[in-house]
Parts: sequence; C-alpha cells; structure tokens
Amino acid sequence: AQKVTQAQTEISVVEKEDVTLDCVYETRDTTYYLFWYKQPPSGELVFLIRRNSFDEQNEISGRYSWNFQKSTSSFNFTITASQVVDSAVYFCALSVIGSSNTGKLIFGQGTTLQVKP
Amino acid sequence: SAVISQKPSRDICQRGTSLTIQCQVDSQVTMMFWYRQQPGQSLTLIATANQGSEATYESGFVIDKFPISRPNLTFSTLTVSNMSPEDSSIYLCSVARVQGPPYEQYFGPGTRLTVT
Repeated sequence: AQKVTQAQTEISVVEKEDVTLDCVYETRDTTYYLFWYKQPPSGELVFLIRRNSFDEQNEISGRYSWNFQKSTSSFNFTITASQVVDSAVYFCALSVIGSSNTGKLIFGQGTTLQVKP
Repeated sequence: SAVISQKPSRDICQRGTSLTIQCQVDSQVTMMFWYRQQPGQSLTLIATANQGSEATYESGFVIDKFPISRPNLTFSTLTVSNMSPEDSSIYLCSVARVQGPPYEQYFGPGTRLTVT
C-alpha cells in the first residue's frame, strides 16, 4: 500500500533559523512522483516542487532545498534562514498511478511550521 | 500552472440541506479532482471528475452523497448532499493538464463549509 508519513506534527523556530521537514513514503511502484505543497493560513495549496523516482539529484530554489534519498524512502525539505512568511502547513505527497494513468495524490498528515519573529 | 476559482469561498449551512460548489479553470485541462480536508487534517481524494461521464469515486465516497458534474474541460461542480456537521470541511478542486506523468496537480482556493 502507498503511504506518506510526516512524523513532525508541529515545528516552531525563530526567524533566520534553518528548519528541515521530514517526509517518508512507502510504495511498491518503481516509477512514482513526490511533491511538496504549502498551505498558508489563507487555505490555498501552493505547489512547491515535484520529483520523479529516477532523479535523485537534490534541488535548491532560493532558500528552499530538497533532499531525495531512495535508499531511505525519504524526501526531506529544508528552509534556510526561515522567515515569518514561511509559517504554514507543509504537505508531502506521493502520486499513485491509477489504472487509467491518472495520478492520484496521497498526502501526508502535514507539518505545521511556525516561524516567530 | 492554471488559475482556478471556486464558488462559494465559504458557507454556513444547516444540516439536511445540500450545497453545490463550483470549480472554474481559466484554460482547458484534462484532469479535475475533488478533495476534502477535514479540520486539522490532511487532504483526501473524493473523486476524479470525468468529462461527459460519471465521476470515479474513491473508497468511502458515494455518488448519492457527493454527486459531481463535469460538462466541459474547464468546469466542474461538487454537491454535498443531505449535510451533517461531519461534512464541515474545506473542499478543494485540483486540475492536471495531462493524463499522464508528471501528475502535477494545481489546487483551487478551497471552499470552507460549516454545517450547523
């Protein structure tokens, strides 16, 4: 069965600290996609990044970086020099490829990040 | 990405009534989905909205409770029928431009529903 686990329910940091959000996934598929979404207090889900199972290169985008390790089935997300605007709920998701080649997203429980000034 | 709007943005409804939520996309997309996010919880897929045919429902969700329409490639509706307080949630629609990899989905702003 496919599953995504975000063990950290809530994290609180002070502005400018670095913070890492953990994501562990389970799947038997050899081809899959992983995603991170941000949900600020306003409620909309904002797409941050996509990774496919064949690309283990880490990625950096500004203050954001992602570490994908197939050996440990992890796809962790690090925010460097956190800012108050980073306060949100962050979801990790796994795309399950259905019988009609439709991608169904399995979400983790989410990690609430609070960045204090 | 795509610009997605949902109506209403929020509503407070009485138990036993029904509410229809609309999802409009600014361009044609192949796939449209409806998710539910109960208070403080993660997102759960309700169904895939198929153009011109019946929606494909996930386990635990039935058409009588959550009828879905998708008359064209830019519009879909989700109805929450015979509501109870347990239906209080955020309902989000999402879209994917293609029916294949990379399965990237973009989400609407959500509809916050409170049932009293």
